[in-house]
Amino acid sequence: AQSVTQLDSQVPVFEEAPVELRCNYSSSVSVYLFWYVQYPNQGLQLLLKYLSGSTLVESINGFEAEFNKSQTSFHLRKPSVHISDTAEYFCAVSSGGATNKLIFGTGTLLAVQP
Amino acid sequence: DAGITQSPRHKVTETGTPVTLRCHQTENHRYMYWYRQDPGHGLRLIHYSYGVKDTDKGEVSDGYSVSRSKTEDFLLTLESATSSQTSVYFCAIRGTETSTDTQYFGPGTRLTVL
Repeated sequence: AQSVTQLDSQVPVFEEAPVELRCNYSSSVSVYLFWYVQYPNQGLQLLLKYLSGSTLVESINGFEAEFNKSQTSFHLRKPSVHISDTAEYFCAVSSGGATNKLIFGTGTLLAVQP
Repeated sequence: DAGITQSPRHKVTETGTPVTLRCHQTENHRYMYWYRQDPGHGLRLIHYSYGVKDTDKGEVSDGYSVSRSKTEDFLLTLESATSSQTSVYFCAIRGTETSTDTQYFGPGTRLTVL
């Protein structure tokens, strides 16, 4: 069975500071990894994903995540955060296949302070 | 915009009452999913559909049923609502037929069972 662990339920950070949101997964098969972002009172939006190839993936708004197979991690980073990045971030794993079911972590609330 | 709408967006009901939530898509995608979101649990899959009249259970399916009589609509029914089903419910669709492709989420339905 697959599982995802997001150890930090909340990460407070000051504006323009760097941030890392941690995600570790458990799986006995090859996985595909995703980060979704949820702004207050909205649905989830895909931030970035790793399917294959380069282990470093980037989003259009400055976030990046690196797939580390040996450490079974997919941590999300941003070198300088903005107030507008305040949201909840969910890491998810899938083993693909026809149904492509996602297993989500419990989420990390990124709280950016001025 | 992935062309997904959910209705109603908010609902308050009483224990023992039947409730149906609707997910509607305009993209003609084959795969559709229902998740519930609860604090400390992230998102958990309730049921999913891989075509008209083709559905299967997710990890938290007890107390829920689904139906898909048309490609564009996926209904989630709580036959007899309980307070433990108070949650935010999200519908998702798969972007394409590719097994690794992205799931896109609707805006959610906030359900309160008194």
